[in-house]
Amino acid sequence: ETGVTQSPTHLIKTRGQQVTLRCSSQSGHNTVSWYQQALGQGPQFIFQYYREEENGRGNFPPRFSGLQFPNYSSELNVNALELDDSALYLCASSLMGQGHYEQYFGPGTRLTVT
Amino acid sequence: AQKVTQAQTEISVVEKEDVTLDCVYETRDTTYYLFWYKQPPSGELVFLIRRNSFDEQNEISGRYSWNFQKSTSSFNFTITASQVVDSAVYFCALKGSNYKLTFGKGTLLTVNP
Repeated sequence: ETGVTQSPTHLIKTRGQQVTLRCSSQSGHNTVSWYQQALGQGPQFIFQYYREEENGRGNFPPRFSGLQFPNYSSELNVNALELDDSALYLCASSLMGQGHYEQYFGPGTRLTVT
Repeated sequence: AQKVTQAQTEISVVEKEDVTLDCVYETRDTTYYLFWYKQPPSGELVFLIRRNSFDEQNEISGRYSWNFQKSTSSFNFTITASQVVDSAVYFCALKGSNYKLTFGKGTLLTVNP
């Protein structure tokens, strides 16, 4: 196990609703990245947080937003849910710094939008 | 732009066979990092190995080995004497000068008893 935890495990929402997903990073890690994995695809980078600020963003609309807290845990918020948002959402923690590049993933939250 | 291609969508082998998973990447960065991750049915991505672009030494770790060839932009992964527990989706990933991992679409490996 990586020590990265995510909640909830599964979630069912209706189109147009809002959702918040949570992630606790591995002890000693200061960076959290979020990925969306559609069925049968590789994970797609959403954004990364370092020192409580967004450090980079992939090709996702502004209705995808996030937060990082002083204890390095993180939230992913998605507003105005669409059917295509149905996916496995993965959180990865890492240590920003010289020579540290591995990202360690949590078990994911499976979101279904109906 | 970065791109990772895993041409093999699915591979099926019988236990104890050797299997090689192919990965080809594209990047304009001169320094980059390559990774292999394993995703069992539970969904959690498990980190297997990282290779730096300036280190082409290949490695063997138990039943796993990796072949990094910068000249052909390939980073292949071999499992020797496969076991049923190796059944999973395997992802190759690339990190360049920016902050994100770029993943391939994955290869589903099924090891039959």
